[in-house]
Amino acid sequence: GENVEQHPSTLSVQEGDSAVIKCTYSDSASNYFPWYKQELGKRPQLIIDIRSNVGEKKDQRIAVTLNKTAKHFSLHITETQPEDSAVYFCAASGAGRRALTFGSGTRLQVQP
Amino acid sequence: DVKVTQSSRYLVKRTGEKVFLECVQDMDHENMFWYRQDPGLGLRLIYFSYDVKMKEKGDIPEGYSVSREKKERFSLILESASTNQTSMYLCASKGQNTGELFFGEGSRLTVL
Repeated sequence: GENVEQHPSTLSVQEGDSAVIKCTYSDSASNYFPWYKQELGKRPQLIIDIRSNVGEKKDQRIAVTLNKTAKHFSLHITETQPEDSAVYFCAASGAGRRALTFGSGTRLQVQP
Repeated sequence: DVKVTQSSRYLVKRTGEKVFLECVQDMDHENMFWYRQDPGLGLRLIYFSYDVKMKEKGDIPEGYSVSREKKERFSLILESASTNQTSMYLCASKGQNTGELFFGEGSRLTVL
């Protein structure tokens, strides 16, 4: 089955700095890679996703890049703000696998 | 807005008790999922269902069973609760042609 590894487990940045979270996946058939944000005490919510026919996708201050050859994808947050503080999860799914496999999560803390 | 509702936010049960966790979604989604969330382990898939009365095992199905008698409702059953099943349980649903998972608020189960 699929295995998704996520690094780092915790990340602390100063407000205004950039943050990068990296994930690797094992199944070369995976073709869908979403990122979820979970604020303290809340449910996870999708913030951005990318499919394997695209190398990069941006939405305002967040972007995701995908390297299919190396089987890794990354979340980039620019100009971080305190409200970006949360746990972020990467995930992967693909042909023959209906469900998402999640990474272990990254706790991002943005210091004001 | 999609609404996924989990019946209990907090439960405390004793070892050996039978536990029912219920989840209802209001968007006519075909797919429903039960994940378990533990610190440092991310979200791990227990079971999922892609249609009424259909189910598939996830990555950690041992000690759990599920029931989907109606499209909108997906129940997780712990036949005989054990202390290592103390965790946060998250239900999610997804439409057939979309990738986004919609999560419930979670059920925090403590087994004493």
